[in-house]
Amino acid sequence: QVQLVESGGGVVQPGRSLRLSCAASGFTFSSYAMHWVRQAPGKGLEWVAVISYDGSDKYYADSVKGRCTVSRDNSNNTLYLQVTSLKTEDTATYFCARDLGSSWYYFDRWGQGTLVAVSS
Amino acid sequence: EIVLTQSPATLSLSPGERATLSCRASQSVYSYLAWYQQKPGQAPRLLIYDASDRATGVPARFSGSGSGTDFTLTISSLEPEDVAVYYCQHRSNWPPLFTFGPGTKVDIK
Repeated sequence: QVQLVESGGGVVQPGRSLRLSCAASGFTFSSYAMHWVRQAPGKGLEWVAVISYDGSDKYYADSVKGRCTVSRDNSNNTLYLQVTSLKTEDTATYFCARDLGSSWYYFDRWGQGTLVAVSS
Repeated sequence: EIVLTQSPATLSLSPGERATLSCRASQSVYSYLAWYQQKPGQAPRLLIYDASDRATGVPARFSGSGSGTDFTLTISSLEPEDVAVYYCQHRSNWPPLFTFGPGTKVDIK
């Protein structure tokens, strides 16, 4: 079955960097676009980034543009999100999600998330 | 940028009742709208995409309708396990930017 497992979260000081990982299994990872979506504590969902199936196309939310880099390793079925210059407002649970199809519209499978807490 | 608004913010109903959740877009999104369910402490789950198509494994009591700017998620007969926050979502044309509504919380009386 489809499984997405995020890791790499934790407590980090403002201004520092962090790399999140998402290990995928149960499907042909290299055939799907993948997303990062985050959720601040007690708040709604905010899309962060998308990467195409082969890594050639990437797009970011305005709130993270210039500070986030999404990447993938199709040989190891892993998705990454590098976040630099962390701010307190980046505190959130970060979910990786698989795109539903080839047109990049919806998120059909989600991981359980990894919590990032930015605090001094 | 398209803004999605959801109403009501909270819906409290008895088991077996019909739940009607609304999502309104600031401009036409045609039928490119999805609904997600997020239970407490869990990841979101895709329920409906393209406004009215049920995702794999979603019970038939969940249905979606609408097009243009007004959309509805209906739970025909509320079950206790349907307690959750429900979000609508859309993707802008280009560049692809994905937007969620603020959510509707469904409680059981």
